[in-house]
Amino acid sequence: GQNIDQPTEMTATEGAIVQINCTYQTSGFNGLFWYQQHAGEAPTFLSYNVLDGLEEKGRFSSFLSRSKGYSYLLLKELQMKDSASYLCAVMDSNYQLIWGAGTKLIIKP
Amino acid sequence: GAVVSQHPSRVICKSGTSVKIECRSLDFQATTMFWYRQFPKQSLMLMATSNEGSKATYEQGVEKDKFLINHASLTLSTLTVTSAHPEDSSFYICSAGPFNRDFSYEQYFGPGTRLTVT
Repeated sequence: GQNIDQPTEMTATEGAIVQINCTYQTSGFNGLFWYQQHAGEAPTFLSYNVLDGLEEKGRFSSFLSRSKGYSYLLLKELQMKDSASYLCAVMDSNYQLIWGAGTKLIIKP
Repeated sequence: GAVVSQHPSRVICKSGTSVKIECRSLDFQATTMFWYRQFPKQSLMLMATSNEGSKATYEQGVEKDKFLINHASLTLSTLTVTSAHPEDSSFYICSAGPFNRDFSYEQYFGPGTRLTVT
């Protein structure tokens, strides 16, 4: 079966760095997405990785290792507004998104 | 970027009634739209894939006679929850895509509709 695993909840301090991991097993691979979702709102796109390596976009970076079925989202200089759920999703061979359960990130002052 | 709207944003209805949710792509044509449901503290669950001009494809366990999907135009898809029950209370989100823009297969999400059935 297809499976996406990510931690349920993480806590970090304002100004610090946090890494959210995601491992996956899917039927085919057409890229991995990270989305941010604030409570009561729809997800917003953060990043897309289809090749191995690190993609940096401002305070957020995303890494992919296809051979290991592994990705992480790195958030630097954490701000209180970064408190949200972070969803990892993999696009399978049918171009369908397989979603992880999300990681709730709590930022403390 | 591509904009997807949903209406209404919130709706409260009585048990046994039907509710229609609209999903519109505002600045692009969406041949494919997706309908998701999300219960509190859970991830998105794909309900169905809606293709313009054809019948929707429902995921296993989703009742197609209860959740009616119509994708009559390239900019509008509707989800009708028929004979709603309290257990249908959830956050319903639509999205359009994927779009291969700059080698990024991105889906664009609507803002979601909070349905409460009393």
